[in-house]
Order: sequence, then structure tokens, then C-alpha cells
Amino acid sequence: GAGVSQSPRYKVAKRGQDVALRCDPISGHVSLFWYQQALGQGPEFLTYFQNEAQLDKSGLPSDRFFAERPEGSVSTLKIQRTQQEDSAVYLCASSPGRLATNNEQFFGPGTRLTVL
Amino acid sequence: GESVGLHLPTLSVQEGDNSIINCAYSNSASDYFIWYKQESGKGPQFIIDIRSNMDKRQGQRVTVLLNKTVKHLSLQIAATQPGDSAVYFCAENGEGNQFYFGTGTSLTVIP
Repeated sequence: GAGVSQSPRYKVAKRGQDVALRCDPISGHVSLFWYQQALGQGPEFLTYFQNEAQLDKSGLPSDRFFAERPEGSVSTLKIQRTQQEDSAVYLCASSPGRLATNNEQFFGPGTRLTVL
Repeated sequence: GESVGLHLPTLSVQEGDNSIINCAYSNSASDYFIWYKQESGKGPQFIIDIRSNMDKRQGQRVTVLLNKTVKHLSLQIAATQPGDSAVYFCAENGEGNQFYFGTGTSLTVIP
């Protein structure tokens, strides 16, 4: 079956532009996670959804970052007024259950964002 | 705050040899750990996990060891193959459903 997909795979934005990154989780997966991965670093948690509810957004670095999952499936991560420090790979992961410690997270390929 | 780090940023091994990748964690309250493999241009892929009530878990060609006394994890890969070349991350659970990833170790397998 299809895994987690993300689009676009690559995005180049001028500083100050808004961007929207899309995640299509595995069908039926309850939980959805967004991570930011800087070059040469491990992924860093941004936010977590359980169905359509955003239960944890403590990792979002600023109020320029906004995520939604209105129907409990597809999710969008939006970054307003992009800055150079936003350049990174943005990873989405989904898992079938509610508890991360009981359910494997399946990662998408990521969107590489470059802010010029 | 949490910190998860790796002792060796790069590791080169000969094909067929065993590989050992190490990871230190700082939060003694963490009770669940995962090793991920990440190939270039792809997202992390689950390899093996271990809970804090265990000190060893084996999978296919992989073994994870957990030493809670010194807060240390290791991933052992037996008979390393060229397809094992990737960056390996350890991750520990944090608050709620958060996971904290280490910096990663780049494994290169020499044919």
C-alpha cells in the first residue's frame, strides 16, 4: 500500500514569502507528526495531531508556523514570512494509534525548503 | 531540557564485519527508545525499539542494547552490507507523544 507522501518534495522561497507544505498520511492513521530536520541534524518535533485535534504544538519555533489537519487526514504545515533559518527538511510521520510508544511512526520523504 | 547524542558521527566498516553505533541519552525518565535508519533523500525508517524494562532486544541482523545505569544505547548490525550505509539515529520518548532524536551517525560500508 501507499506510504506517507509529501508535496512538494522541494521548495525554494524568497525571504518573506509564505509557503504551504502538504502531508498525506497512510489512510486510517490516527496520529500525525511534523518534524523539522536541519542539515546534518536529527529531526526535531514540531507538532502532533490526533485525528483533527492538534494536541501538541510546543515544538513550533514561532507564531509564523501553523499546522492544520481539518478532516483528520491530510495535513498542511504553513510558514508565513519565511526566514533563512527556516531552511530545512520538513518531515511528516503518521502512526495507526494514539500512543507514540505503542505505534510505529511511518515517515514521508520530506520537503526540502530553501529560503533565499 | 532533553538531549540525545551520539558518540561517533561517522563510522566506516568493511562489508561482512559487525557494526556498533552508540548513543547517549540524558533523561533518566525516558522509557522507550527507537533506532532509525535514514538514507539520503528519504525519511527515517524504523529499525528496532526497546523499552526500559529490557536491556537487550534482537531483530533480524540487528541488536539493541540498553544500559540504564549509564544512559547508553547501542545498535549492533551483524554482517554489515552495502545497503546498510545510511545515517542512524536513536530517539527517546519525551513528554506526551514527543520523541527526541540524536544527531546521527553516518555509517559507510566498504565493499
